[in-house]
Amino acid sequence: GAVVSQHPSWVICKSGTSVKIECRSLDFQATTMFWYRQFPKQSLMLMATSNEGSKATYEQGVEKDKFLINHASLTLSTLTVTSAHPEDSSFYICSALLIAGKNTGELFFGEGSRLTVL
Amino acid sequence: SQQGEEDPQALSIQEGENATMNCSYKTSINNLQWYRQNSGRGLVHLILIRSNEREKHSGRLRVTLDTSKKSSSLLITASRAADTASYFCATVLLMDSSYKLIFGSGTRLLVRP
Repeated sequence: GAVVSQHPSWVICKSGTSVKIECRSLDFQATTMFWYRQFPKQSLMLMATSNEGSKATYEQGVEKDKFLINHASLTLSTLTVTSAHPEDSSFYICSALLIAGKNTGELFFGEGSRLTVL
Repeated sequence: SQQGEEDPQALSIQEGENATMNCSYKTSINNLQWYRQNSGRGLVHLILIRSNEREKHSGRLRVTLDTSKKSSSLLITASRAADTASYFCATVLLMDSSYKLIFGSGTRLLVRP
């Protein structure tokens, strides 16, 4: 299957700093990528839909200015957690949509990025 | 908000036994998918069942879908210790011409050797 790479796999930062997480589709182009957040022993919660060349669509309750998403190319979306605080510590997972035909596609997931804010 | 609820939340079985996980969802769907997640890792796609299908098999996996009850089940037969993981159902929602994959709450499966 197609490969989606996330970087970094884990990051520890001080409170108040900003952290950028990258999501790359390695062998296909993805006009749409998704960012999820997962707290320990919980499910994945969709944060936003990242659209290449346009603004991201955020889910209700997700702060746009807090979680900046940029999808500048067909193979790269970035999530920047700005002014991170301990409550932002979580596992962030991206997925990229591979269009397989009209009205059909498949999602491929990255390995996730674990953020710990001290 | 999550689309689906899964039960049980946690399941502990002996190796060789079958494991059944259930998923319920709220809205109409195009398809339903099951994923597996090992602790602290990304997700692995297991199987997809379309809304016009009732049952699907893949190796030791059997998935059923009842659209009238808005529910699905995942059966893992002859479980192995390596099946220990969290399992999530996910439904595809098409809203405003955009595609979203919404996950259920998940079932943590422990297979004891």
